[in-house]
Amino acid sequence: DAGVIQSPRHEVTEMGQEVTLRCKPISGHNSLFWYRQTMMRGLELLIYFNNNVPIDDSGMPEDRFSAKMPNASFSTLKIQPSEPRDSAVYFCASSRTGDSNQPQHFGDGTRLSIL
Amino acid sequence: KQEVTQIPAALSVPEGENLVLNCSFTDSAIYNLQWFRQDPGKGLTSLLLIQSSQREQTSGRLNASLDKSSGRSTLYIAASQPGDSATYLCAVPWGNMLTFGGGTRLMVKP
Repeated sequence: DAGVIQSPRHEVTEMGQEVTLRCKPISGHNSLFWYRQTMMRGLELLIYFNNNVPIDDSGMPEDRFSAKMPNASFSTLKIQPSEPRDSAVYFCASSRTGDSNQPQHFGDGTRLSIL
Repeated sequence: KQEVTQIPAALSVPEGENLVLNCSFTDSAIYNLQWFRQDPGKGLTSLLLIQSSQREQTSGRLNASLDKSSGRSTLYIAASQPGDSATYLCAVPWGNMLTFGGGTRLMVKP
């Protein structure tokens, strides 16, 4: 059973460029979460979807960040334009339902470096 | 707002020792608490999820306890091994979102 799949694993780009991170949740999971991890702030939730619908995007830092989930098996997190302070590891996670009693399963993350 | 704290931030022990990792949270009205393991360059692996109605949960050499009233959880690792070296994070739901502690970086020396 494949876990949460994220791509790319690493991304290095210059500031001002558009960055797109991708996530494929576990098949049958209805909830999808995007997190950002930095040394200074730890793990922070950016946005989560339930049944492909964004439920809470209050963690999205600013308008440069956007996320979509066009279908149950794919989600993107986009940063445009990117800035050096966006450098972090971005994780995607999925769970069977939006019920908080369901464990979340994490991908291996995308390590993003903005020069 | 829920705040989650983990102490210590880092821990180094010789192989074979039993050890305890601590997690505290400010709002005791939680549904559950989850312990994760994170290896360098990897995502988080769920170790144990302990429901608010439970006092403890066990998986192999791991035992997690939960005391809601005091806002604390502990993760007990028995007979530690070098392969246990990783960062351990606890998390509690806040609505449908997880709030994470800062993690404890564990090093088990052979």
